[in-house]
Amino acid sequence: AQSVAQPEDQVNVAEGNPLTVKCTYSVSGNPYLFWYVQYPNRGLQFLLKYITGDNLVKGSYGFEAEFNKSQTSFHLKKPSALVSDSALYFCAVRDNTGGFKTIFGAGTRLFVKA
Amino acid sequence: NAGVTQTPKFRVLKTGQSMTLLCAQDMNHEYMYWYRQDPGMGLRLIHYSVGEGTTAKGEVPDGYNVSRLKKQNFLLGLESAAPSQTSVYFCASSDSAGRPWETQYFGPGTRLLVL
Repeated sequence: AQSVAQPEDQVNVAEGNPLTVKCTYSVSGNPYLFWYVQYPNRGLQFLLKYITGDNLVKGSYGFEAEFNKSQTSFHLKKPSALVSDSALYFCAVRDNTGGFKTIFGAGTRLFVKA
Repeated sequence: NAGVTQTPKFRVLKTGQSMTLLCAQDMNHEYMYWYRQDPGMGLRLIHYSVGEGTTAKGEVPDGYNVSRLKKQNFLLGLESAAPSQTSVYFCASSDSAGRPWETQYFGPGTRLLVL
C-alpha cells in the first residue's frame, strides 16, 4: 500500500540556521512526491514536487527537497530559516495504482525562533 | 481570480442537524476533492469528482454526500451530523486532470464543530 511518513511532529530551528523536515515514503512503481505548507487558518499551498529527473528539486520561498530512492526519502530543506517559515508542512505521495488520490503525511510543525 | 473558495468559514451544529458546505473554483479545473483534517492525521480524502456530474468515494466517505452539478462547484453534505464529524474541511481542485504529477489548489477551509 502507498504510504508516507513524517517521523517528527515538530522541528525547532533558530532563524538563519538550515532546516530539514523529514519524509519517507512507500510506493509501488515510480514515486510522485509533493510538499505542501499550511500557514495558520489557511489552506495548504503547494511548495514543490518530484516527478522524475534531478534528485534535488527547487520550489517556492527558497525551499528545496532531496529525493533519495535508496532510502525512500524526500526531505524538505532550506539553507537559512526565516521566522515566517513557521508553519505546518505536509509531505504527500501520489497513489499511482490507478486511483485519483494523493496520500498526505500527518504533518510536521516547523517553529523558527528569532 | 479568487482560486478556490469555501463557505461557510465556521459552523456549529447540533448532533443530527444537516448542512451543506460549498466549494467554488474559478480555474476551470476538472478534478475537485473534499478532505477532512484532524490533528495528527494529516488530510483524509472524503469524496472526489473527476468532472461535472460525477462523484466518487474516497478514504472516509461514510456520513457524507457530495454533488457536482456545475463544473465550478463541489458541494459536501452532512445529512445527520455526528460529533465525530467535528473537523476542518478542505476543498481542493487539480490542474492536471488526474495525472500523477498534479498540483492541488486548496481553499481556506471550513471549521465545523458538532455538539
